[in-house]
Amino acid sequence: DIQMTQSPSSLSASLGDRLIISCRASQSISTYLNWYQQKPGKAPKLLIYGATTLQSGVPSRFSGSGSGTDFTLTISSLQPEDFATYYCQHNYQTPPMWTFGQGTKVEVK
Amino acid sequence: EVHLLESGGRLVRPGGSLRLSCATSGFSFSNYAMSWVRQSPGKGLEWVSVISGSGIVTYYGDSVQGRFTISRDNSKNTLSLQMNSLRGEDTAVYYCAKGSAFSAVAAIYDFGGQGTLVTVSS
Repeated sequence: DIQMTQSPSSLSASLGDRLIISCRASQSISTYLNWYQQKPGKAPKLLIYGATTLQSGVPSRFSGSGSGTDFTLTISSLQPEDFATYYCQHNYQTPPMWTFGQGTKVEVK
Repeated sequence: EVHLLESGGRLVRPGGSLRLSCATSGFSFSNYAMSWVRQSPGKGLEWVSVISGSGIVTYYGDSVQGRFTISRDNSKNTLSLQMNSLRGEDTAVYYCAKGSAFSAVAAIYDFGGQGTLVTVSS
């Protein structure tokens, strides 16, 4: 199975901060990489798919980049509603071999 | 607006069976692949099973292959997961997810419900 490793596992940030979350795949997955946001007690929400494409309705302060094995999720200016846990997930190969990263929790500094 | 509502989760003994349901609305159900994903504190998020829009093509994770069966009723806009021979490691919140395409493989999945908790314990 392809392993997805996120860094950092958690971070503390302030409103208005620029955040970068990294995700590394154990082998090349081209751009078959999605990002999800999850808040406590809620289902994950799709933010970005295909490594760079913003899901409809997602604010433009979110952006994704990368290909191959290294990817990043950037939040340009952290807003109150952005405090959550973020997961990367690949959809390379056939389902449901698709795996998630372990998550990055964004907390208030 | 897409609505997904999972139900059926409860406490069940090891070796027991359970059937989860996901009632949907707000989209043309038969045109989209659907999926079950679970989340447990110990294993994080894990893809369980995927089904094409027609219901003909299905995929299962190694940990549930042969024990779980995914199905859909396109006349009732409902997704189901029959879970047999349940184990402690199946304890998790189960979410259903809607695909972005008919094909189970090509779709990108998004969630919308609150999930349903399955606890397997004696």
